[in-house]
Amino acid sequence: GENVEQHPSTLSVQEGDSAVIKCTYSDSASNYFPWYKQELGKRPQLIIDIRSNVGEKKDQRIAVTLNKTAKHFSLHITETQPEDSAVYFCAASRGTSYGKLTFGQGTILTVHP
Amino acid sequence: DGGITQSPKYLFRKEGQNVTLSCEQNLNHDAMYWYRQDPGQGLRLIYYSQIVNDFQKGDIAEGYSVSREKKESFPLTVTSAQKNPTAFYLCASTLKPVSYNEQFFGPGTRLTVL
Repeated sequence: GENVEQHPSTLSVQEGDSAVIKCTYSDSASNYFPWYKQELGKRPQLIIDIRSNVGEKKDQRIAVTLNKTAKHFSLHITETQPEDSAVYFCAASRGTSYGKLTFGQGTILTVHP
Repeated sequence: DGGITQSPKYLFRKEGQNVTLSCEQNLNHDAMYWYRQDPGQGLRLIYYSQIVNDFQKGDIAEGYSVSREKKESFPLTVTSAQKNPTAFYLCASTLKPVSYNEQFFGPGTRLTVL
């Protein structure tokens, strides 16, 4: 089955800096890669996703890049703000998996004012 | 936050007892999922259901059971056979059981075994 590894497990940055979280996956048939943000005490929410036919996707301060050859994808957050502090999860899915997601271990991002 | 709800928010269980966690959605979604969240391990899939009266085991189904008698409901039972049930449990749903569909999560239930 699919295996998703996520790094780093914790990330601390100063407000205004950029943050990068990286994930690698094992199943070359995976074709959908969402990122979820979970604030303390709240439910995970989708913040951005990318399909395998696209190399990069951007939404305001967040972007995701995908390297299918190397089987890794990354989340980039620019101009970080304290409200970006949360746990971020990457995930991978293949088209034949009935919507099942395999999640990474999560990254605790702390943005210091 | 509406759409998908879970109850109770906190649940305490004595060893040897079965407990049932509720998950309800009013989004008219076909597919529903149960995840277990432990610190440092991300979300792991317990069971999923593509449609009413159908469900399949996920990666860590041992010690758990589910039912899907109604489209809007997908309860999870944690049985006494689950060796380490203390965890945060999240329910999710998607419009269709296919890739590319956003999964919407409930607020979760924190289960503690005393």
